[in-house]
Amino acid sequence: DGGITQSPKYLFRKEGQNVTLSCEQNLNHDAMYWYRQDPGQGLRLIYYSQIVNDFQKGDIAEGYSVSREKKESFPLTVTSAQKNPTAFYLCASRLVSSTDTQYFGPGTRLTVL
Amino acid sequence: QQPVQSPQAVILREGEDAVINCSSSKALYSVHWYRQKHGEAPVFLMILLKGGEQKGHEKISASFNEKKQQSSLYLTASQLSYSGTYFCGTEEDNNNDMRFGAGTRLTVKP
Repeated sequence: DGGITQSPKYLFRKEGQNVTLSCEQNLNHDAMYWYRQDPGQGLRLIYYSQIVNDFQKGDIAEGYSVSREKKESFPLTVTSAQKNPTAFYLCASRLVSSTDTQYFGPGTRLTVL
Repeated sequence: QQPVQSPQAVILREGEDAVINCSSSKALYSVHWYRQKHGEAPVFLMILLKGGEQKGHEKISASFNEKKQQSSLYLTASQLSYSGTYFCGTEEDNNNDMRFGAGTRLTVKP
């Protein structure tokens, strides 16, 4: 089955620890995205990548880092510099086309204790 | 630039209609509508490209007024399954970086 997978679904970490969230897609999509969603809020763009080995900062990139070594994978690292990391993180991907849209993975809920 | 959605929340009885608006202070290239159930990923509903087209998906349709820089989502004869939070995503140009509104929480009651 084609789709976007994120793992794990729930993640708990102690304050001050870095944590990496996984995002994999087998849709052969060019672009991949990371969004953060806080309770009752919209989606805010953290980072996005339109091609392997290249990525751009979104609106709230501080305290996060990404890599795009393979087309299928776009992991997000939440560093200890992120002041309030507890949130629901969504990964998305799309073909680079004017008529296509983004498709989302199931999300990872990160809780920092 | 994040779009602005209105209203923030709406409660309907089954069979009633609703309109959700999405506006931007900048010219838009495309508008994408999604519905999200609690704790789940947003699900794509439809995309509208500049040109003022209107699209439909069963009893859910949308319009895009390029000049007014806004889009509206129309839900007619609402069903219980329509409950959720609706988001609009907008792109100011064809560079694939979408921004989302804060969402409109729709509750449909029997």
